[in-house]
Amino acid sequence: EVQLVQSGADVKKPGESLKISCKTSGYTFSKYWISWIRQVPGEGLEWMGKIDPGDSYTNYSPSFQGHVTISIDKSTSTASLQWSSLRASDTAIYYCARHLGRNAFHYRLDVWGQGTTVIVSS
Amino acid sequence: DIVLTQSPLSLPVTPGEPASISCRSNQSLLHTNGFNYLDWYLQKPGQSPQLLIYLGSDRASGVPDRFSGSGSGTHFTLRISRVEAEDVGIYYCMQGLQTSWTFGQGTKVDIK
Repeated sequence: EVQLVQSGADVKKPGESLKISCKTSGYTFSKYWISWIRQVPGEGLEWMGKIDPGDSYTNYSPSFQGHVTISIDKSTSTASLQWSSLRASDTAIYYCARHLGRNAFHYRLDVWGQGTTVIVSS
Repeated sequence: DIVLTQSPLSLPVTPGEPASISCRSNQSLLHTNGFNYLDWYLQKPGQSPQLLIYLGSDRASGVPDRFSGSGSGTHFTLRISRVEAEDVGIYYCMQGLQTSWTFGQGTKVDIK
């Protein structure tokens, strides 16, 4: 069974750093893109960026470029999303999701993690 | 950026009755390969989103056949032939033609 299991909720102060994770299982990690999607409480879904686990190439939404970093650890089949300096406006639920493949035709998100709640408050 | 506009934003439904949601794009989502790069997702209360429809009209694995997608270019529709109580949640369209991918605002479906 394909699974994406995300790290637990976190509470941070503005300016602090954070790394959340998405551990995958049940498939060949290198063969499927992974994206991160943000959901601010009570609002919709925003695509943040993706990584190709085959070559670690990343794409970011202009809205998030420079503020977050997406990375992978091939040894543990885990994708991560990190901030070096959090803002209160980063308070949200963050989802990782697997694309159906590693090319533009297979862009659809077929398996999602359970979400990680991040609260940034002084 | 490609902007997707859904309507209505709120849709009270009666079980057993049909329902439909519209998604309009400010740019054509028809790829040169003939496919429309438009998906539909459902986020049930307290859950992660799940894929319902991809490439405009193909049902994802395990999705009941009461769900159907149609449309091409800039206008797409998700239809539920007979709404069931388990269909409540927020429905999102998403375009895959341009990275960065974008979602519609969401349509909240609940029971009257």
